Amino acid sequence: EAGVTQFPSHSVIEKGQTVTLRCDPISGHDNLYWYRRVMGKEIKFLLHFVKESKQDESGMPNNRFLAERTGGTYSTLKVQPAELEDSGVYFCASSRRSWTGSNEQFFGPGTRLTVL
Amino acid sequence: GIQVEQSPPDLILQEGANSTLRCNFSDSVNNLQWFHQNPWGQLINLFYIPSGTKQNGRLSATTVATERYSLLYISSSQTTDSGVYFCAVGYRKLGTNAGKSTFGDGTTLTVKP
Repeated sequence: EAGVTQFPSHSVIEKGQTVTLRCDPISGHDNLYWYRRVMGKEIKFLLHFVKESKQDESGMPNNRFLAERTGGTYSTLKVQPAELEDSGVYFCASSRRSWTGSNEQFFGPGTRLTVL
Repeated sequence: GIQVEQSPPDLILQEGANSTLRCNFSDSVNNLQWFHQNPWGQLINLFYIPSGTKQNGRLSATTVATERYSLLYISSSQTTDSGVYFCAVGYRKLGTNAGKSTFGDGTTLTVKP
């Protein structure tokens, strides 16, 4: 089966512009997560969807970030307007089962965002 | 929140040597995963191991959930093993379907030929 895919692989934008990242989870995976690694620091959780419903968005840094998962399939993460500190690698992950069972997460290759 | 500490932060080995990486976590968790970040930045799943021991070729992992630690063993290391190894612990908010993983800072392994 195909793995988690993310697009674009790399995005370079100027401060104040808008960028939209896309994630396609593994087919059949209801759980979708966004994480990011900024300034070479630790990988941090942003939010969690179960199908189209946001379960936890406690990791979203501020209201410049908006995540959607219409139809419960792919997800988008929009940053508007982008700031310099948003530069980093944005990872998407998906898992099949609920948290009452196995919840192994599979990660996409990441989108490297550079804000100039 | 849960704290995850990995040690050592950096490790340099000669090809063929064995190594042990450690992951300590501060509270009970639902699951634990080990990842290898390759030179292209991709996170490769190594083990899903909330408890017990698993082996995959030259790699094996053990998690002792009651003592809140996990170990990743690499035997007969090869230059292709180089990269960053992350431990991530997953946990669910009680009474909800919400869950997340918290990552350690990683161990950077360099295997020299």
